[in-house]
Amino acid sequence: GQNIDQPTEMTATEGAIVQINCTYQTSGFNGLFWYQQHAGEAPTFLSYNVLDGLEEKGRFSSFLSRSKGYSYLLLKELQMKDSASYLCAVSDSNYQLIWGAGTKLIIKP
Amino acid sequence: ETGVTQTPRHLVMGMTNKKSLKCEQHLGHNAMYWYKQSAKKPLELMFVYSLEERVENNSVPSRFSPECPNSSHLFLHLHTLQPEDSALYLCASSQDVQGTYNEQFFGPGTRLTVL
Repeated sequence: GQNIDQPTEMTATEGAIVQINCTYQTSGFNGLFWYQQHAGEAPTFLSYNVLDGLEEKGRFSSFLSRSKGYSYLLLKELQMKDSASYLCAVSDSNYQLIWGAGTKLIIKP
Repeated sequence: ETGVTQTPRHLVMGMTNKKSLKCEQHLGHNAMYWYKQSAKKPLELMFVYSLEERVENNSVPSRFSPECPNSSHLFLHLHTLQPEDSALYLCASSQDVQGTYNEQFFGPGTRLTVL
């Protein structure tokens, strides 16, 4: 079967760095997405990786290793507004997105 | 503003009621999706439409009935629901169904409670 695993919840301190991991087992691979979802709001796109390596976009970076079925989202200089759920999703061989359950990130002052 | 709107934002209904959820996208996309989001569970894909034609139906109970009259509008008709159907229902759109970097844009969702 297809499976995406990510931690249920993480806590970090304002101004610090946090890494959210995602491991996957899917039938085929056409890229990995990270989305951010604030409570009661729509998921919004953060990043997309299809080749191995690190993609940097401001305070957020995303890494992919296809051979290991592994990705992480790195958030630097954490701000209170970064408190949200972070969803990992893999596009499978049919381009269907397979979703993880999300990681709730709590930022403390 | 993501370009995808959903109404209503909140809905409470009894098990014998009939109601409809509406989604509209203003992005010129060809594909639209319905997802169910329950607490602490992955997003569940329910239906996929490409150019108004249904291309995916992930074994969804018949009490959920989708309708896509054109590429900008998507409905989810609900009837005789069960309490376990209470969840956040999200609509999304993307440029096409297939292709790499096929980012999906989401609406804010409808929070459905079935009594």
